[in-house]
Amino acid sequence: QSALSQPPSASGSPGQSVTISCTGTSSDVGGYAYVSWYQQYPGKVPRLIIYEVNKRPSGVPDRFSGSKSGNTASLTVSGLQTEDEADYYCSSYAGNNNLQVFGTGTKVTVL
Amino acid sequence: QVQLQQWGAGLLKPSETLSLTCGVYGESFSAYYWRWIRQPPGKGLEWIGEINHSGTTNYNPSLKSRVTISVDTSKKQFSLKLSSVTAADTAVYYCARVSGSPSQSNYMDVWGKGTTVTVSS
Repeated sequence: QSALSQPPSASGSPGQSVTISCTGTSSDVGGYAYVSWYQQYPGKVPRLIIYEVNKRPSGVPDRFSGSKSGNTASLTVSGLQTEDEADYYCSSYAGNNNLQVFGTGTKVTVL
Repeated sequence: QVQLQQWGAGLLKPSETLSLTCGVYGESFSAYYWRWIRQPPGKGLEWIGEINHSGTTNYNPSLKSRVTISVDTSKKQFSLKLSSVTAADTAVYYCARVSGSPSQSNYMDVWGKGTTVTVSS
C-alpha cells in the first residue's frame, strides 16, 4: 500500500485558518470513515488530535476539525496559534488484511 | 492512566536483529491491540504492525518477512523483532495503544516515548 499524500507544508498567520489535505484511494480514505490525525512537535511523540474523520479526543481544542470528501480527508486548524506550529500526519485503515497507512506529513508554520 | 514504557538496544550492526519491548502500565491490556510504528530521521511515520492479547497479529507487507511481534500477557508487555537490519531501518521506534479494531476504525491514542535505533557498521 502507498503512503497517503499530504502537502509538504502549509502556513498561516495567527488567527487565520489553515487546511491540510490527505489524499488516498477508494481502498483507504475513500472507502472508510476511519481517518485519524496526529500532531507532532520536533523531537516529540505524536499526539492524536482527530479520529474517525471528525471526532476530537478529550483535551483537544475545538479549533481542530476534520472532514472527508471522496478519497480526500482534511484537517482544519482555525484561529491559528503559535503552538500549532508542528508536523501533522493523517492515517487511515486500508482494508485488505487490516492494513494501516500514514500520510506523508505536513509541516505547519505560523507566520 | 495508561503509560507505555519501551526499551531495547539502540545501536545495531547490519544483519543483526532489532529487539524492542513495550510495557503497559495502569490499564487493561486485553481490551486493546498494541502497535509498533517507526519514523526514520527527518521522515514520516510508518506502520509496522500490531498484536492483541491472544497473539493475533497484523503486519506491514513491506516488512512482514522480517518482522515478528509477540506478546506476554502475564507481564503486560509486547515486543518487536526485526531481523537482518540495514541502515534503512535506522529510525525512532514507537509503541502505541490502538483504540478500536484494526479491521475497522482504529487510532493510536497512547504512545510510548520512542526508542532511537541506529544501524551502523
